[in-house]
Parts: sequence; C-alpha cells; structure tokens
Amino acid sequence: SQQGEEDPQALSIQEGENATMNCSYKTSINNLQWYRQNSGRGLVHLILIRSNEREKHSGRLRVTLDTSKKSSSLLITASRAADTASYFCATVLIQGAQKLVFGQGTRLTINP
Amino acid sequence: GAGVSQSPSNKVTEKGKDVELRCDPISGHTALYWYRQSLGQGLEFLIYFQGNSAPDKSGLPSDRFSAERTGGSVSTLTIQRTQQEDSAVYLCASSWYRGERAFFGQGTRLTVV
Repeated sequence: SQQGEEDPQALSIQEGENATMNCSYKTSINNLQWYRQNSGRGLVHLILIRSNEREKHSGRLRVTLDTSKKSSSLLITASRAADTASYFCATVLIQGAQKLVFGQGTRLTINP
Repeated sequence: GAGVSQSPSNKVTEKGKDVELRCDPISGHTALYWYRQSLGQGLEFLIYFQGNSAPDKSGLPSDRFSAERTGGSVSTLTIQRTQQEDSAVYLCASSWYRGERAFFGQGTRLTVV
C-alpha cells in the first residue's frame, strides 16, 4: 500500500480562495515533499520539509508537518486559475532504501 | 543537460514486442528513479538507482521489466514481451542524492496495441 495518502482526492474552489490539501503517512520519515503535476506529465517540486521542521513557506505556499500525527498539509493562498493541477505528497522513510514514495494525489480545480 | 530528458516521448508498440525507454538525468545527480503512472492515477514506484546500483527493485511488476544504469548517468528501462496492461506514462526523475528534491522528465507515453 502507498506510504502517503492525500485527502481530499478532488477539490474545487473559486479563484481567490485558499486551498488546503492533506497528506497522511504510516512510517517515520526523513522528509516529506510536495509536487505539482499539470496535464499528466512531468512533476514539479514545490517544497521539501524535513522531519525536524514544522512549517515552511514558499511564496503563496505553506506546508506544515506534524510527525506525532504522521500528517502534512499544503496550503495555497489566494488561489489562481493557473494553480489548477494535481498535487502529490512524497515521503522518504528513515529506514531502508531512501526512495521517494508518492501518494495518489489531490486534483485541484480553481474556478474563475 | 539542463533538465531530465526522456526518449521517446511517445511509443506505440505491438503486444509481445520489446521496448526500451531511455532517461538522461541531470549531470551530477547520483540518484535516478523510475515510476509508472496510469491515466488519472498516482505514481507507482518501479526502481531507483544510487550511482549504478539499484538498492530497491521492489516495484518492478514482473520479470519482464528490467533496468540498468551505466556510468552513473543514462538509464534504460526495458520491457520485454509487452502486454496491454503495460500501457502507461513512464516517468524518470533524478536528484543529487537519494531522498532529496527530485527533478522529473516529461515522461514516455507507452501504448501497447
């Protein structure tokens, strides 16, 4: 089964509103990353947050990490039509092969 | 190169034929990942390399799938005796070290007819 699972699977909001996506995982991690995918092709890295960090910002993006709850959230503020995409979280485990394991993603639609 | 390059972009093959997918990672990146994505689905991990060795091959779906990496650079994913269920987008990514920020190629869309 997937290490990380995003919630919700799909989200539709109006332009200008904030969008929040969540990611839960099962096993202790080294870091957690968020990616965006447009049109079903290559993914673009957004933010990496390490296990000893609790919050990171990048422009309109805010990521939080709660290791006690094994969860992370991605907040996009003041959404734009161009933010329409699929968003994936990826985890890197502390133990074993440090590969990137992706969840199923959240499909975000921003309505003008 | 400037980014991760995958070739071909699209491949249509007949059932039973062998295919080779190529990935050129960013120069200097030691880790290289292969994923498979079916339409509207998440990324299925296939295999990753650290240098030329593959610490984790657990995601390869069957013994028809194999991958190699030479010179710590180019990687080839080979699918033998293709089946219709192999149809998907195959994505390659690289990072300067395993578990760090990954850069993705645009993928190879494989269609088995």
